[in-house]
Amino acid sequence: GAGVSQSPSNKVTEKGKDVELRCDPISGHTALYWYRQSLGQGLEFLIYFQGNSAPDKSGLPSDRFSAERTGGSVSTLTIQRTQQEDSAVYLCASSSTVGGNIQYFGAGTRLSVL
Amino acid sequence: AQSVSQHNHHVILSEAASLELGCNYSYGGTVNLFWYVQYPGQHLQLLLKYFSGDPLVKGIKGFEAEFIKSKFSFNLRKPSVQWSDTAEYFCAVNGRHNQGGKLIFGQGTELSVKP
Repeated sequence: GAGVSQSPSNKVTEKGKDVELRCDPISGHTALYWYRQSLGQGLEFLIYFQGNSAPDKSGLPSDRFSAERTGGSVSTLTIQRTQQEDSAVYLCASSSTVGGNIQYFGAGTRLSVL
Repeated sequence: AQSVSQHNHHVILSEAASLELGCNYSYGGTVNLFWYVQYPGQHLQLLLKYFSGDPLVKGIKGFEAEFIKSKFSFNLRKPSVQWSDTAEYFCAVNGRHNQGGKLIFGQGTELSVKP
């Protein structure tokens, strides 16, 4: 596609429910990143996929958070048993080694946990 | 620890004023440096980047930034701001080699330009 696509754009859920957020990277980009943008915390790295390598999960805040990337393309970020502090904008980015690994960001999913 | 510090949280300027936003980083090893901009209601966009070479880099819309290695700084400048520059600006860093590519962001600086 022309850019990084994320869905849904907005998600409202109740505390304790599970949510899935989707990211469709730029075609041909081998690297995919998830970040979280929240008031008071700024932009935080969550997880990074590069090709077929094991993902870097060092930024995941708890074991309620997980992500997978199927077929080296689309990624899903799953948050189990959501808490109010999970409310944030979840951003996905992708990059390619061609052009210096510049990360291009999607519009994000705004998650509100009531 | 790896970190990026942006000194100004909110800057208010009148049109045609000059802009300088401070950014300092702490990172072991050789770095890549970035400024991203987020206009109201829009997604993060790359403003400019430094990988190597000339430490003065020019980006889109008349912005430039200077990498000063001795000061661990990468300040953003624009000689004359416009109302359309109203946005939030983020400085970011990652490692040049084998650092996984993840970006470490500053807290952001909100710029408001009065017409």
